[in-house]
Amino acid sequence: DTGVSQDPRHKITKRGQNVTFRCDPISEHNRLYWYRQTLGQGPEFLTYFQNEAQLEKSRLLSDRFSAERPKGSFSTLEIQRTEQGDSAMYLCASSSYINREGTEAFFGQGTRLTVV
Amino acid sequence: RKEVEQDPGPFNVPEGATVAFNCTYSNSASQSFFWYRQDCRKEPKLLMSVYSSGNEDGRFTAQLNRASQYISLLIRDSKLSDSATYLCVVNKVGGFKTIFGAGTRLFVKA
Repeated sequence: DTGVSQDPRHKITKRGQNVTFRCDPISEHNRLYWYRQTLGQGPEFLTYFQNEAQLEKSRLLSDRFSAERPKGSFSTLEIQRTEQGDSAMYLCASSSYINREGTEAFFGQGTRLTVV
Repeated sequence: RKEVEQDPGPFNVPEGATVAFNCTYSNSASQSFFWYRQDCRKEPKLLMSVYSSGNEDGRFTAQLNRASQYISLLIRDSKLSDSATYLCVVNKVGGFKTIFGAGTRLFVKA
């Protein structure tokens, strides 16, 4: 399967614990996005990488959130000291840069986080 | 005001009906526009891009009105399989930040 893959698919953690999610984008895509989605809402933008550079970060991301894409390939999203409000689906997407207008973003199946 | 706003829904329509979704965006510098479809508990998938001249793909027609900052999606001859949430998506200039609307839920019934 050459699509976007995310790991794990589900994560249940206790409040206060740290969690890390991984995203493997489509190999030729240089753009990578993280989104968070809660029930009944559309995906909310969290952060964006072009190759290994993190070019934009949403104000939604508190200091407890950090994302990396060290070699411009896979990416990790870490949440420290998780809170119940962090419970959501975390979606990763990738796309290629062709022109200013951008291209279709392909999504992974997401990691569903439950903080208890 | 949200950057991208959609009809709240849900829309409940019979098979064969024509249904239209609307979406407005607040940033006049927005560059590109898309409609995505999301099935329950699945990831969003691209339905179609929206071009300034309007575009059609089978039963689906998308329109863009830059002056009114308005996007629409028309579905003709609705099928049961069209039941899903439809997300309006806007890319800001430079394409860095992709903004999703909250989605409009469609139920097509036999």
